[in-house]
Amino acid sequence: DQQVKQNSPSLSVQEGRISILNCDYTNSMFDYFLWYKKYPAEGPTFLISISSIKDKNEDGRFTVFLNKSAKHLSLHIVPSQPGDSAVYFCAASFVFSGNTPLVFGKGTRLSVIA
Amino acid sequence: DSGVTQTPKHLITATGQRVTLRCSPRSGDLSVYWYQQSLDQGLQFLIQYYNGEERAKGNILERFSAQQFPDLHSELNLSSLELGDSALYFCASSPVSGANTGELFFGEGSRLTVL
Repeated sequence: DQQVKQNSPSLSVQEGRISILNCDYTNSMFDYFLWYKKYPAEGPTFLISISSIKDKNEDGRFTVFLNKSAKHLSLHIVPSQPGDSAVYFCAASFVFSGNTPLVFGKGTRLSVIA
Repeated sequence: DSGVTQTPKHLITATGQRVTLRCSPRSGDLSVYWYQQSLDQGLQFLIQYYNGEERAKGNILERFSAQQFPDLHSELNLSSLELGDSALYFCASSPVSGANTGELFFGEGSRLTVL
């Protein structure tokens, strides 16, 4: 039973354009969401996060949007660069209602084409 | 470099065998997490330790066990190995026990192949 779903296994985008990675979750009790980025032969690294009390968080070229009513979040990368090519994992947790480790989606492989 | 060290990086073994994966967390981090990534699967949480004590348990098989030692390094023991145990095993650390408002710092993973 996947509580965090990334329905697109892969995405290809041209350099300079916007990349939009999507993530859906089933448990409305999740109150904190994170995106991790993973290069081959490396461990995942933290990219950006958002609390459920917000609907947007921005950090440079990366913006995460949260739509609680739809139980959906998305990661926007603008402009996309070849170095952004990686697997992106969406993760969720219960911060304010418990003490649980992160629940991850299956990941989306982003390819940015020069 | 996340500061989390995992050994070995690669391991090939046979069904029925037992292996031990080792993790050294970042300096000062008290919490260690183990995750499994199988083919086409996301990161599946296995188990968490905080300052030597088990804090949370996920989808960890009874054939698997873990511990965290006084120096805070952790070991994941996998026994009676099956073909389906072939996966990438990640260790992550964080300063705190839970309340994941921040990031986990992941090691590079240990790739286990069971033949």
